[in-house]
Amino acid sequence: EAGVAQSPRYKIIEKRQSVAFWCNPISGHATLYWYQQILGQGPKLLIQFQNNGVVDDSQLPKDRFSAERLKGVDSTLKIQPAKLEDSAVYLCASSSSRFVLETQYFGPGTRLLVL
Amino acid sequence: SQELEQSPQSLIVQEGKNLTINCTSSKTLYGLYWYKQKYGEGLIFLMMLQKGGEEKSHEKITAKLDEKKQQSSLHITASQPSHAGIYLCGADCNNFGNEKLTFGTGTRLTIIP
Repeated sequence: EAGVAQSPRYKIIEKRQSVAFWCNPISGHATLYWYQQILGQGPKLLIQFQNNGVVDDSQLPKDRFSAERLKGVDSTLKIQPAKLEDSAVYLCASSSSRFVLETQYFGPGTRLLVL
Repeated sequence: SQELEQSPQSLIVQEGKNLTINCTSSKTLYGLYWYKQKYGEGLIFLMMLQKGGEEKSHEKITAKLDEKKQQSSLHITASQPSHAGIYLCGADCNNFGNEKLTFGTGTRLTIIP
């Protein structure tokens, strides 16, 4: 079974530029998560999708971050414009259901450096 | 809000030695996950504990959830270089089953040959 795919793996941009990350979850997984992991910290949930609907985006900085999962499969996370403090690893995870305790499987992450 | 405290923050252990990592919560843990992360990589699922007193093992790694469901420990027996990495505990905060996980800050494990 293929795992969670993410691209790009690395991205370096200057502040005020825009950037987008892509995630393809495990086939059949209805729930998709985007996490931000700042160096030395644990992952922090940014947004959670159930199919193509948003379940929780309470910690997403909506003035600059946006995410979509139009067809209920793959997802895109965008930052516009980026700030220095956005430098982090962005992790995508998926699980088969949000209604019971199911394991979240993580992708390799996208490492973003904002200069 | 739920907060998870992991201890120690870092650990240096000689190969072959045993070690324990702890994860403590101020609130009841409805589901507790252990993940391992290597630098530059994503999180690898190790184990999930749900019931008070539950204990699970995989190869040389054993995880326990205490009876009060507020603390979990991860124990590695006869450590090997392949065990090196960052160990993260993540917890389900609200028992709604919606898997909104809160993570600890991680324990960095280094194995010395």
